[in-house]
Amino acid sequence: DGGITQSPKYLFRKEGQNVTLSCEQNLNHDAMYWYRQDPGQGLRLIYYSQIVNDFQKGDIAEGYSVSREKKESFPLTVTSAQKNPTAFYLCASGEGSSGTDTQYFGPGTRLTVL
Amino acid sequence: AQSVAQPEDQVNVAEGNPLTVKCTYSVSGNPYLFWYVQYPNRGLQFLLKYITGDNLVKGSYGFEAEFNKSQTSFHLKKPSALVSDSALYFCAVRDLDSNYQLIWGAGTKLIIKP
Repeated sequence: DGGITQSPKYLFRKEGQNVTLSCEQNLNHDAMYWYRQDPGQGLRLIYYSQIVNDFQKGDIAEGYSVSREKKESFPLTVTSAQKNPTAFYLCASGEGSSGTDTQYFGPGTRLTVL
Repeated sequence: AQSVAQPEDQVNVAEGNPLTVKCTYSVSGNPYLFWYVQYPNRGLQFLLKYITGDNLVKGSYGFEAEFNKSQTSFHLKKPSALVSDSALYFCAVRDLDSNYQLIWGAGTKLIIKP
């Protein structure tokens, strides 16, 4: 988990609310990623960014939004359009898109919709 | 299509015995393969990766993995299991046709019994 922080650790949301999950890294990595983890499933990519001020949709981007204004920060907003947001959210960073680089993960944020 | 499979949802091993967690993959080109471990309510920790070279890759905590091109497998192994190895293990393969994004297996729960 070292070098990547996520906050909060637990987050509760009421229906219809937008919430923002924080992800910060001090590894000087160019690439950052957001994944969603549900029980019994592998990680699913929500959004990724390979450079500041640029990001791409992953496999399940609907109902989510991101920004990448600073190299070290990649916040994820879960909007009210996401119909089933209860999940464990993982942020990761990597050196870039060379194909061989390793992704390093933060400790995760568990989001629960009340 | 690129894919990775972990055929066992759960593996049970007695402490001190060797362990194997299986992973098979399908990619169109050369695979870049990764193993990660996840402890409860934590982020993923990188264990090891295969890029090229020696088919036997050594990683953290005494784990190793053997790349077998003919069987398209990348099984994770450890000669002597510890109770503390109990965790969720994920195999991932790099999709070179999708801007180098990782494709994840569903995970295998490893239980080491004393």
